[in-house]
Amino acid sequence: DTAVSQTPKYLVTQMGNDKSIKCEQNLGHDTMYWYKQDSKKFLKIMFSYNNKELIINETVPNRFSPKSPDKAHLNLHINSLELGDSAVYFCASSVDMGTQYFGPGTRLLVL
Amino acid sequence: GENVEQHPSTLSVQEGDSAVIKCTYSDSASNYFPWYKQELGKGPQLIIDIRSNVGEKKDQRIAVTLNKTAKHFSLHITETQPEDSAVYFCAASGGAGGTSYGKLTFGQGTILTVHP
Repeated sequence: DTAVSQTPKYLVTQMGNDKSIKCEQNLGHDTMYWYKQDSKKFLKIMFSYNNKELIINETVPNRFSPKSPDKAHLNLHINSLELGDSAVYFCASSVDMGTQYFGPGTRLLVL
Repeated sequence: GENVEQHPSTLSVQEGDSAVIKCTYSDSASNYFPWYKQELGKGPQLIIDIRSNVGEKKDQRIAVTLNKTAKHFSLHITETQPEDSAVYFCAASGGAGGTSYGKLTFGQGTILTVHP
């Protein structure tokens, strides 16, 4: 049973395209997050939703738009992809901003 | 905002030796300190965490210590095994009502290699 799952696992696309990454958790958690891990392995939070409400919104270009249709899902849509968007994107979830559990990651490569 | 520094960036040990990774944080309001292990091609996996009302926590071969006064915390792995080889991250976040509540700030990571 997968706790936090992400699709797709790999995403290769051209500059300027629009793409979405999906995340689902079956842990019954009420808070979900998106993190970006760059080529140097540095992990940085992007967004957090609690009960479908945006709680954390770091300094992220507005080309990135998270959407939470329900507590179990948090999707990330990226418009006009740039080379610098290439990274691994991790979804995570927790109970009320507590201990966070991460998904397997989506490896995005922008050509 | 919070800043977390992690050292060393790489650590190489022989199987059976101990490994210690250290982190310092800047925000005295931080009160939650998890450690994650990330294996190649996988997501970070929580291995141990500690809250600011506790000075030390142990789980089998893994232990974490916290010095709130000095604002640093450390991960100790004893009797290392080759399968401990991975990237380890420390992180810090604040309590309810604070600006860093639920927002994990990660250290830069430590690549641990355990040689058989």
